[in-house]
Amino acid sequence: QQQVKQSPQSLIVQKGGISIINCAYENTAFDYFPWYQQFPGKGPALLIAIRPDVSEKKEGRFTISFNKSAKQFSLHIMDSQPGDSATYFCAASKSLTGGGNKLTFGTGTQLKVEL
Amino acid sequence: DADVTQTPRNRITKTGKRIMLECSQTKGHDRMYWYRQDPGLGLRLIYYSFDVKDINKGEISDGYSVSRQAQAKFSLSLESAIPNQTALYFCATSVAGGRYEQFFGPGTRLTVL
Repeated sequence: QQQVKQSPQSLIVQKGGISIINCAYENTAFDYFPWYQQFPGKGPALLIAIRPDVSEKKEGRFTISFNKSAKQFSLHIMDSQPGDSATYFCAASKSLTGGGNKLTFGTGTQLKVEL
Repeated sequence: DADVTQTPRNRITKTGKRIMLECSQTKGHDRMYWYRQDPGLGLRLIYYSFDVKDINKGEISDGYSVSRQAQAKFSLSLESAIPNQTALYFCATSVAGGRYEQFFGPGTRLTVL
């Protein structure tokens, strides 16, 4: 049972275009929604995160839009660059008793930005 | 630089063999995690540990075991490897108060023939 659903599975965008990746969740107990970026041969790394009481968060060219009532959130990459070509994972985080967090990941989106 | 390292980086083994994947970290983090990554399935949590005395099962722990030898070391074992355990395995760490950030190692690509 996939608690965090992610689409599309792959995405090709022209340089300078906008990349949009969508996620939906079911469990309302999640308390943060991060996005991770993974380059080939590397482990995922945190890109940006949002709390569920905020509708939008922007960091440079990356923006998360969050719709709590629809239980959906999305990543927008403005002015996409070839260096943004990577696999992107949305996730939902639940704080653990005693500290730390438990991440539930989406299935990933492979983004390719073409010249 | 404080880091998360995994050994081996690649491993090919045969069905039925016992194999251990090792993770070490110099970040000083208490929380450590093991995930497996499969195409189309994302990353799934196998086990996580708060400290050397605390081990917890994740969503897909069957067929795996772990050992937290020290704050900085967390090993994953496959007692009797099977082909559907072929995957990319990641170790991760987080601080005790971390809300959503985990720091991942470079991964171990495991192939079970």
